Amino acid sequence: DAKTTQPNSMESNEEEPVHLPCNHSTISGTDYIHWYRQLPSQGPEYVIHGLTSNVNNRMASLAIAEDRKSSTLILHRATLRDAAVYYCILRALISSGSARQLTFGSGTQLTVLP
Amino acid sequence: NAGVTQTPKFRVLKTGQSMTLLCAQDMNHEYMYWYRQDPGMGLRLIHYSVGEGTTAKGEVPDGYNVSRLKKQNFLLGLESAAPSQTSVYFCASSYRPGTAIRFGPGTRLTVT
Repeated sequence: DAKTTQPNSMESNEEEPVHLPCNHSTISGTDYIHWYRQLPSQGPEYVIHGLTSNVNNRMASLAIAEDRKSSTLILHRATLRDAAVYYCILRALISSGSARQLTFGSGTQLTVLP
Repeated sequence: NAGVTQTPKFRVLKTGQSMTLLCAQDMNHEYMYWYRQDPGMGLRLIHYSVGEGTTAKGEVPDGYNVSRLKKQNFLLGLESAAPSQTSVYFCASSYRPGTAIRFGPGTRLTVT
C-alpha cells in the first residue's frame, strides 16, 4: 500500500520558514502528493498538491524529490495562525476504487513559537 | 457557494438510538467521503462514494450505513449507536481522484 510517514511534531519560531517533511517511498506513478492542515476544532483544509514538479501557491510551496519518494511542505514565514496538524497523503489520479488511497495518517503537529 | 455543509453540528445519543448525518455539497463533485476522527488521532475513512447511486466501504465501515441518492448529498446512518462511535465526523468531497478534497466543518457526536 502506498502510504506516507511524517514526524509526529515540529516546532518553529514565528516569521521563520518551516520545512515539513514527508516520506512516501512506495509512491506510484499515478499518485499525486497532497497536503492538508487542520486547525484546532476545525475540519481539514487543503493546502497544496503536486505530481512531479515543485508547486507554489499563496499558502505554501511544495518541493518534490526527483525520485518522488519524499516531499517537503514549505511555509515561507510561519505565523501563529499556522499552528496546526499537517497531513501528507497520496491521491491517485486514476481511481482503482481502493479506500487505501484516501487514508490520512496522524500528521505532524506544528507548534509556532512567538 | 457554501462548499460542504454538515447537519447537525452537535448531537448526543443514547446507546441503541439511531440517527442520520447529512452532508451536502454545491460544487458538483463526483466523489464524497465520510471520515471519523477520535481525540488525538488522524482521520479514518468510514465509507465513500464515487458517484450518484454508488457507495463503498472504507477502513472502518462497521456500524455505519450510507446512501448517495442525489449527487449533492451523502448520508451517514448509525442504526444502533454505541459509545465507541463517539467521535467527530467529517464529510468531504472532491471532483475526481487526484484533485483537492474539500471538508465540511464536522459533526461532534457523543453516545452515552
